[in-house]
Amino acid sequence: DTEVTQTPKHLVMGMTNKKSLKCEQHMGHRAMYWYKQKAKKPPELMFVYSYEKLSINESVPSRFSPECPNSSLLNLHLHALQPEDSALYLCASSQDRGGAHEQYFGPGTRLTVT
Amino acid sequence: DAKTTQPPSMDCAEGRAANLPCNHSTISGNEYVYWYRQIHSQGPQYIIHGLKNNETNEMASLIITEDRKSSTLILPHATLRDTAVYYCIVRVAYDMRFGAGTRLTVKP
Repeated sequence: DTEVTQTPKHLVMGMTNKKSLKCEQHMGHRAMYWYKQKAKKPPELMFVYSYEKLSINESVPSRFSPECPNSSLLNLHLHALQPEDSALYLCASSQDRGGAHEQYFGPGTRLTVT
Repeated sequence: DAKTTQPPSMDCAEGRAANLPCNHSTISGNEYVYWYRQIHSQGPQYIIHGLKNNETNEMASLIITEDRKSSTLILPHATLRDTAVYYCIVRVAYDMRFGAGTRLTVKP
């Protein structure tokens, strides 16, 4: 099983809402990632978790709050977002953060902030 | 940080080989070259990676020049389903940074 699942597929939220994006993998991977992708742009790395600990935060605003409850799950909590945060949010996992390990991506959550 | 340069777009006839070039002249000795592709509105898909030697798998071949300053991804028999944005990535430390990629259009 090389699947990374993400829920929901689509999300529309207002600027005062609180919502969460979820990501799950059952490949035994110990590194998990959040990326943000704006239309017609490449994915941009947001956060990296390695062995359930946050190891990279690419200067992401605090209205995005990641959480890794266990080695299979990764959440992204959203609060007080802005319309410019509308994007495709991609989750990925890899066997480990270092070494020549490919990342497996989920299908993404398309977020619209109104 | 090592960077990559790719042509913004390429066309290829269905059934022909698609050769996608990538320049990475500042690559360090221990950095791998990875290729991913992204079909419209889907998550990126891993294709292949290599360090020094040429690599081949069921999807593609990767040719890396001897000086490692450039590489070419080869899709041997392109199909319409290979239409996508192809990203050449050099691993920076442990994490990936995507460049702009090449939009490959396979035409009938």
